[in-house]
Amino acid sequence: QLQLQESGPGLVKPSETLSLTCTVSGGSISSSSYYWGWIRQPPGKGLEWIGSFYYGGSTHYNPSLQSRVTISVDASKNQFSLNLNSVTAADTAVYHCGSINNNDVWGHGTAVTVSS
Amino acid sequence: ETVLTQSPATLTLSPGERATLSCRASQSLSTYLVWYQQKPGQAPRLLIYDASNRATGIPARFSGSGSGTDFTLTISSLEPEDFALYYCHQRTYWPWTFGQGTKVEIK
Repeated sequence: QLQLQESGPGLVKPSETLSLTCTVSGGSISSSSYYWGWIRQPPGKGLEWIGSFYYGGSTHYNPSLQSRVTISVDASKNQFSLNLNSVTAADTAVYHCGSINNNDVWGHGTAVTVSS
Repeated sequence: ETVLTQSPATLTLSPGERATLSCRASQSLSTYLVWYQQKPGQAPRLLIYDASNRATGIPARFSGSGSGTDFTLTISSLEPEDFALYYCHQRTYWPWTFGQGTKVEIK
């Protein structure tokens, strides 16, 4: 059974880089059956799509974040990562990674606070 | 960017009642619309894909309909565990987008 787990620091200082990793188990990130990606949910707000990729294909990003965000893949570790630079308080959110198809699987999420 | 507009923002109903949630898209999605349920502190749960297909393990009281720009999620008879937030989501066009959500709350 496919499972995803987010990891990374829960506190990031303003202007620094938020870095999260998603570890995939029970399936291969190089599978052609899924998109993979990140979404987030700021406190008290709705879901926001951050970016997604298809292994071996292009990566697409939310235009509102595109200048600051990078999603990278390490197939040897069955992981993919999110880097968001120049963070502000507006980037405080719960971040979820997921495998995306007609039977999505999402990680439980990791809370990130941007504060000095 | 494809804007998804959900209505109403809040639906106040009693257990056993029928819930009807709407999602309108700013351009045609054919039938490629997804519905999620989210409860506090939990990951979103896929309910419906391709507008009308229930995801694995989703009870039959959840149904989706619509095509083009107008879509509906119906919960035929609300169970206590159905009181939650519901989001529509499109993956037809980049960038992918979500609706702003409909909260189904207990009356």
